[in-house]
Amino acid sequence: EAGVAQSPRYKIIEKRQSVAFWCNPISGHATLYWYQQILGQGPKLLIQFQNNGVVDDSQLPKDRFSAERLKGVDSTLKIQPAKLEDSAVYLCASSSIRTSGYTYEQYFGPGTRLTVT
Amino acid sequence: AQSVSQHNHHVILSEAASLELGCNYSYGGTVNLFWYVQYPGQHLQLLLKYFSGDPLVKGIKGFEAEFIKSKFSFNLRKPSVQWSDTAEYFCAVNSGGYQKVTFGTGTKLQVIP
Repeated sequence: EAGVAQSPRYKIIEKRQSVAFWCNPISGHATLYWYQQILGQGPKLLIQFQNNGVVDDSQLPKDRFSAERLKGVDSTLKIQPAKLEDSAVYLCASSSIRTSGYTYEQYFGPGTRLTVT
Repeated sequence: AQSVSQHNHHVILSEAASLELGCNYSYGGTVNLFWYVQYPGQHLQLLLKYFSGDPLVKGIKGFEAEFIKSKFSFNLRKPSVQWSDTAEYFCAVNSGGYQKVTFGTGTKLQVIP
């Protein structure tokens, strides 16, 4: 089975510029996650989608970050304008979800390494 | 809010040594627990998981973890590490009800041949 696809793999931008990341989850996975992983830290959830609805975006800096998941499949994450502290790896993951609401294991993409200069 | 603590940030072991990585979580209700591993240059991938039942869980590559509810712990173990186990290990907890999965800060394991 194909894994989670992400693009681009690397991006270098200047502060105040905008950037967008794309994710294609594993076919049939209803839940899609975007994480930010800063060097030396664990992944931090930015937003979680269940199909095309948002389940949790409590840690998404909404003044500059936005995400959408049209038609419940692919997703894009955008940063506008970028700040130096946004330099991180942005991970996309997908999973099935059980009727109890508990998640199955997540499958991660390769990530996009963003450097803001 | 749930939280996850991994006490060892960097562990260095010789090959054939035994490994135990600590993981503690804060949520008092029913939890699902995971260990993920990230080998150098590779994606995060699942090592093992606990949903219910036998608290001793076996995963890939000879790893196991024990869920001790009274201690809010889910420590990862391997009796004899190999050089190929060099990686970063993340503990994660999901408290259900469509709650987010929270990751620990990770433990970097370096195995010396």
